[in-house]
Amino acid sequence: GAVVSQHPSRVICKSGTSVKIECRSLDFQATTMFWYRQFPKQSLMLMATSNEGSKATYEQGVEKDKFLINHASLTLSTLTVTSAHPEDSSFYICSARADVGPYSPLHFGNGTRLTVT
Amino acid sequence: AQKITQTQPGMFVQEKEAVTLDCTYDTSDPSYGLFWYKQPSSGEMIFLIYQGSYDQQNATEGRYSLNFQKARKSANLVISASQLGDSAMYFCAMRGTSGTYKYIFGTGTRLKVLA
Repeated sequence: GAVVSQHPSRVICKSGTSVKIECRSLDFQATTMFWYRQFPKQSLMLMATSNEGSKATYEQGVEKDKFLINHASLTLSTLTVTSAHPEDSSFYICSARADVGPYSPLHFGNGTRLTVT
Repeated sequence: AQKITQTQPGMFVQEKEAVTLDCTYDTSDPSYGLFWYKQPSSGEMIFLIYQGSYDQQNATEGRYSLNFQKARKSANLVISASQLGDSAMYFCAMRGTSGTYKYIFGTGTRLKVLA
């Protein structure tokens, strides 16, 4: 149980285009999902908290207009990288909690490796 | 502020031996949860084990155990009988109950199991 599916796993796009990444909770409902970014050989950096039916909460320094998050249902959150540039190339990974308890672990998708040329 | 520190950027262990990965934390929350994740080269984050701050016993999950020393604010991961497939990055994480309830991660330890 507690499976999070993320798609696509890899994407290469040209500079200036937009890319949408989907994150789905397959066997549980997730009112909250978290989007992380990971640079090579570094830790996970929280970008934003996605809340079903309301606006996402972005971390300091993360551009809201660059990284659009939509959490339209209890099982789907999307991250759209708008007008992507080479510096947006990174590994993006989403996560969600299957249980409502305060200490339930995060379950992660397999991540999306974005390369902007 | 909450903080997770992993001081070992890389570790080597011989196959079938045990290895301890260090994690220290800092928080002012009265209760919190501590987690360990494994990230193979393929990139996915795999949940390994969890320890609650009020748990009296150290958590165990198969070959994984968590050496929780609350007074020292440490939550070290012990992997017994290491296998080649254990080679990966390992991240320690924490979630408190105050503020924004965020999960914060350490910088990770890269473990290499030698045949």
